Amino acid sequence: EAQVTQNPRYLITVTGKKLTVTCSQNMNHEYMSWYRQDPGLGLRQIYYSMNVEVTDKGDVPEGYKVSRKEKRNFPLILESPSPNQTSLYFCASSFETGDDNEQFFGPGTRLTVL
Amino acid sequence: AQKITQTQPGMFVQEKEAVTLDCTYDTSDPSYGLFWYKQPSSGEMIFLIYQGSYDQQNATEGRYSLNFQKARKSANLVISASQLGDSAMYFCAMREGMDSSYKLIFGSGTRLLVRP
Repeated sequence: EAQVTQNPRYLITVTGKKLTVTCSQNMNHEYMSWYRQDPGLGLRQIYYSMNVEVTDKGDVPEGYKVSRKEKRNFPLILESPSPNQTSLYFCASSFETGDDNEQFFGPGTRLTVL
Repeated sequence: AQKITQTQPGMFVQEKEAVTLDCTYDTSDPSYGLFWYKQPSSGEMIFLIYQGSYDQQNATEGRYSLNFQKARKSANLVISASQLGDSAMYFCAMREGMDSSYKLIFGSGTRLLVRP
């Protein structure tokens, strides 16, 4: 089954404790992206990657890191989480080319930073 | 300025009736794409429908259709014959340009509740 998977689905942590949210897709997509969703703001892009070893900042990259060592994986790293990073996080992927390329979203990771 | 505006934070519709969810967008790029996603209470994002800026006809997918008015920069989602399972958050999103910087810009969403 074609899908984007994220782990963990739920996480409660404390300020300053490094964490990684994994994202993996099995569709051989070049493009992967991370979004955060906050009430009243919709989804905002954090980072994106156009292919292996190619990453770039989105609209809200502060406090996050990413890496793209393999095509299928795109982990999101919070080196020192803070309470304002409490949010619902989505990973998404798509093929790079094409006009109507749908972005496939993972199931979401709900993060709470105390 | 907001790139995507959804002015209806919440809406009610009676089961079996049609409902229109509003979306206006702002871009100076002649090439763009417009998407609608559904987010049920379980949280996942479900792709519903796509409209390209050069498409001559309004997009349709089953009970979903997109009322695309380019001059007014609006891309309203029409759901016909509403079902209880349509109760969810609905997001309008835009992709600007045709280059490889593929980013979706989302509106703030509209929560739809279908009454039995």
